[in-house]
Amino acid sequence: GQQLNQSPQSMFIQEGEDVSMNCTSSSIFNTWLWYKQDPGEGPVLLIALYKAGELTSNGRLTAQFGITRKDSFLNISASIPSDVGIYFCAAMYSGGGADGLTFGKGTHLIIQP
Amino acid sequence: GAGVSQSPRYKVTKRGQDVALRCDPISGHVSLYWYRQALGQGPEFLTYFNYEAQQDKSGLPNDRFSAERPEGSISTLTIQRTEQRDSAMYRCASSQASGAQYFGPGTRLTVL
Repeated sequence: GQQLNQSPQSMFIQEGEDVSMNCTSSSIFNTWLWYKQDPGEGPVLLIALYKAGELTSNGRLTAQFGITRKDSFLNISASIPSDVGIYFCAAMYSGGGADGLTFGKGTHLIIQP
Repeated sequence: GAGVSQSPRYKVTKRGQDVALRCDPISGHVSLYWYRQALGQGPEFLTYFNYEAQQDKSGLPNDRFSAERPEGSISTLTIQRTEQRDSAMYRCASSQASGAQYFGPGTRLTVL
């Protein structure tokens, strides 16, 4: 089946540092989404990308839909303690009758004060 | 409602029993999705609906799993003759047609 390769698997950073994570795939998608999941909670949508090349920001978060439609990255600037959690990329090829999301394995973000 | 809700939040059952998990999507959302999430992994797609029609059930593990959404709103995921390997977090999500999916809090199923 389709797979998303998400990296890094985990990150240990200092508060205030910038963070970058990415996802790649061998398949083309027309929608990329980034979620954050805290312990015991469901994934919370951070950013949605619908067009190849699209660059979208949400506060300190910036994400891009790769021009090849096979990759996406998420950047977090000036990290703060509440950024701790697991970040998942997800993608789908919507409108083709198979609209379920394929998820990456997640990036565990740990921030040292 | 304001967000996707799921019930029960926790379900403990004995092997061989049937369970029914309920999802109430965001009001007005056309599409409803079921996922299963193992510890430390991302959610894995099971099935989805547009209105009351089941569009894709390719992710259902076997024929003990079924889902319905008879009136195009609330959905039920049913697992018959539960097995220990069915233990997981079951998550529901909803979206406007082919849009970003919003997840509920999940139902933690434990099969003893």
